[in-house]
Amino acid sequence: GAGVSQSPRYKVAKRGQDVALRCDPISGHVSLFWYQQALGQGPEFLTYFQNEAQLDKSGLPSDRFFAERPEGSVSTLKIQRTQQEDSAVYLCASTPHYNSPLHFGNGTRLTVT
Amino acid sequence: DQQVKQNSPSLSVQEGRISILNCDYTNSMFDYFLWYKKYPAEGPTFLISISSIKDKNEDGRFTVFLNKSAKHLSLHIVPSQPGDSAVYFCLPRSINNDMRFGAGTRLTVKP
Repeated sequence: GAGVSQSPRYKVAKRGQDVALRCDPISGHVSLFWYQQALGQGPEFLTYFQNEAQLDKSGLPSDRFFAERPEGSVSTLKIQRTQQEDSAVYLCASTPHYNSPLHFGNGTRLTVT
Repeated sequence: DQQVKQNSPSLSVQEGRISILNCDYTNSMFDYFLWYKKYPAEGPTFLISISSIKDKNEDGRFTVFLNKSAKHLSLHIVPSQPGDSAVYFCLPRSINNDMRFGAGTRLTVKP
């Protein structure tokens, strides 16, 4: 497809489990962003890549969160030892260059029980 | 530290009337401003943007106004249609690619 693809669409994890969320950006898009959206709130910035370089990870809430984009294309957001407060929709977005709008995927809804 | 504020969590307007959504920001490094629209269970979709060198940008029924001195922008939709009912987010962007969403405003357009 032509858009940003995220998988899985839904993920249920038991507290303490590790999860990995995948983002396939639009081909050729240099920049990739991860956001976390809790119920009833706006998306909160997590981290940002330019190609394979993670230029900003200031939004990652704890050291249990880790993101990578090893070949400058697909990105994975990993959450270790999930907690209930990690329950949210995780949104990925990509853009070809600065001053171009972000294109968002439909998100992964993570529920930690 | 909330750098971006959308102070109206919800707005209800009649079909055919104008909808005005507001956004205030504090970071003077923001120089590009985007509006997104979000339906349930979907990712945000881009609506319209404005560069800090302009004070107005129009695209069909949608117009964005920027007041840099007041650090305020607004989105006008006229005429409003029921299909416009969604959550609207402003997304200012700084020169170092810092992008922070507002909390969103839920617009309901009644037929």
